[in-house]
Amino acid sequence: GQNIDQPTEMTATEGAIVQINCTYQTSGFNGLFWYQQHAGEAPTFLSYNVLDGLEEKGRFSSFLSRSKGYSYLLLKELQMKDSASYLCATLDSNYQLIWGAGTKLIIKP
Amino acid sequence: GAVVSQHPSRVICKSGTSVKIECRSLDFQATTMFWYRQFPKQSLMLMATSNEGSKATYEQGVEKDKFLINHASLTLSTLTVTSAHPEDSSFYICSARTGRENSPLHFGNGTRLTVT
Repeated sequence: GQNIDQPTEMTATEGAIVQINCTYQTSGFNGLFWYQQHAGEAPTFLSYNVLDGLEEKGRFSSFLSRSKGYSYLLLKELQMKDSASYLCATLDSNYQLIWGAGTKLIIKP
Repeated sequence: GAVVSQHPSRVICKSGTSVKIECRSLDFQATTMFWYRQFPKQSLMLMATSNEGSKATYEQGVEKDKFLINHASLTLSTLTVTSAHPEDSSFYICSARTGRENSPLHFGNGTRLTVT
């Protein structure tokens, strides 16, 4: 079956760094997305990885290891506005998106 | 960047009535749009794939006669929740891609439906 696992909730301190992990098992693989979703709002696109390695985009970076079925989203210099849910989603062999349940990130001052 | 507009953002209706939600791609043509539903603290659940000029493809367990989808143009898809019941109360979100199958989805702002 297809499955994506990510922690339900994480807490971090303003100004610090946090890493949100995602492991996946899917039928085929055509890439992995990270989205940010603030409460009551729609998701917004953060990153896409299809090759192994680290993609850096400002304060956010995303890493992928296809052999391990593993990705992480790294957030640096955390700000209060980063409090949100972070959704991991993979594209399977049919280019269907498989969504994780999301990780709620709580930032404390 | 690509913009997807969804309307209304919130709607409260009485049980048994129907509600129409509109999803528009404002600066690109979307031959395919995706309708999702999200219950509190749960993941996004794909309801159906809306295809311009043809019938929508519904996911298993989604009643096509209850959730009517119309994609009459390259910029507009509508979802009508017919004979709504309290259990249909949820957050409905539409989305579309601007490019290839591995391009990111752009989401509308969502519609919070409350059925009383």
